[in-house]
Amino acid sequence: DAGITQSPRYKITETGRQVTLMCHQTWSHSYMFWYRQDLGHGLRLIYYSAAADITDKGEVPDGYVVSRSKTENFPLTLESATRSQTSVYFCASGTSRKNTEAFFGQGTRLTVV
Amino acid sequence: KNEVEQSPQNLTAQEGEFITINCSYSVGISALHWLQQHPGGGIVSLFMLSSGKKKHGRLIATINIQEKHSSLHITASHPRDSAVYICAVYGGATNKLIFGTGTLLAVQP
Repeated sequence: DAGITQSPRYKITETGRQVTLMCHQTWSHSYMFWYRQDLGHGLRLIYYSAAADITDKGEVPDGYVVSRSKTENFPLTLESATRSQTSVYFCASGTSRKNTEAFFGQGTRLTVV
Repeated sequence: KNEVEQSPQNLTAQEGEFITINCSYSVGISALHWLQQHPGGGIVSLFMLSSGKKKHGRLIATINIQEKHSSLHITASHPRDSAVYICAVYGGATNKLIFGTGTLLAVQP
């Protein structure tokens, strides 16, 4: 099906472990984004990518790594998970940096214990 | 102070009521989004507007650029409208999408 798919939907991991959240989109949008959503905060941008092999930091990039070897995939890696990274993560894609067509994935609920 | 403020934070309405959610922002913007997030669900873009008014079904979004204010109206509200409604603006000093913290709407039958 066309759209944007995140996996897994739910993940529990231990402090210090590496975990990768996957994001796949079928629209061939050039821009992709990773956000985290926490109680009391709006969605906050972690990283974004303007095209394959082009990534840039957002508002809260520390502790995260991204890559974009293919246009359709934009994985987010937590190199050494911390409890403060417990959150709901949303991937989004769009045709521009303004995200004027804001297509979001279903979210991944990550718990770090 | 957040650059995007929404009010109210929580809203409970009876089915059929007219609902208004407000969004005020303090930065210069080129676009404003209204998003809908159902409990445990993903986020759906409802509107993107830069001036005036847009309507889609029972939803109406307005923006006043001079007053830096937008409203989302829901006419003839229904329990399926229960969700978090998020205002987001594109702009500010760093030209990024800035999100409000959302308004949790519960429509009771």
